[in-house]
Amino acid sequence: DTGVSQNPRHKITKRGQNVTFRCDPISEHNRLYWYRQTLGQGPEFLTYFQNEAQLEKSRLLSDRFSAERPKGSFSTLEIQRTEQGDSAMYLCASSFTSSNIMRAEAFFGQGTRLTVV
Amino acid sequence: RKEVEQDPGPFNVPEGATVAFNCTYSNSASQSFFWYRQDCRKEPKLLMSVYSSGNEDGRFTAQLNRASQYISLLIRDSKLSDSATYLCVVNINYGGSQGNLIFGKGTKLSVKP
Repeated sequence: DTGVSQNPRHKITKRGQNVTFRCDPISEHNRLYWYRQTLGQGPEFLTYFQNEAQLEKSRLLSDRFSAERPKGSFSTLEIQRTEQGDSAMYLCASSFTSSNIMRAEAFFGQGTRLTVV
Repeated sequence: RKEVEQDPGPFNVPEGATVAFNCTYSNSASQSFFWYRQDCRKEPKLLMSVYSSGNEDGRFTAQLNRASQYISLLIRDSKLSDSATYLCVVNINYGGSQGNLIFGKGTKLSVKP
């Protein structure tokens, strides 16, 4: 098992462009989370999936942001019409959870660092 | 009030010192608790889960006080390699299924020789 994988690791884009990030979770994990982190802050929750269902979205996730997990495996996070304020580290995490598991530790990928110029 | 609040830090301590971090959470329905460690420009990594009875892992001890909605992490005999940011994490279980994970802003620890 190679852990959670995120691509690309770094992305520099011009303001107004669209970007898409990919996350491949640990293979048996059914839960997938997206977070955004800026310098000096903790990770801020964006959204999470249980299999292919998107169960919760943060108010931080404006209409320019969309996430999918079409087959319950990998996920993509797209940002349309990027703004300089979108510059951050985008982190993906996965876990396995069920009604029998009340405590499911999440494991993170190395993140995608986005810079909007 | 933020959902998860931590000591702002930074904590600057000498090697061998004992240091304690505190964390409070606002949602009484929070069910699971964790401490993560994050090195500079790296992803967060799970340090330990926090159990109701308290738990210990080597030099690290975690405590939970549900009545006060308070979590702590104690590091004994601190090492230079303990220098990092420590993140307090809580989640709320909805009907037996873990909800999202809410992170505190983190407390930065710097251990000096």
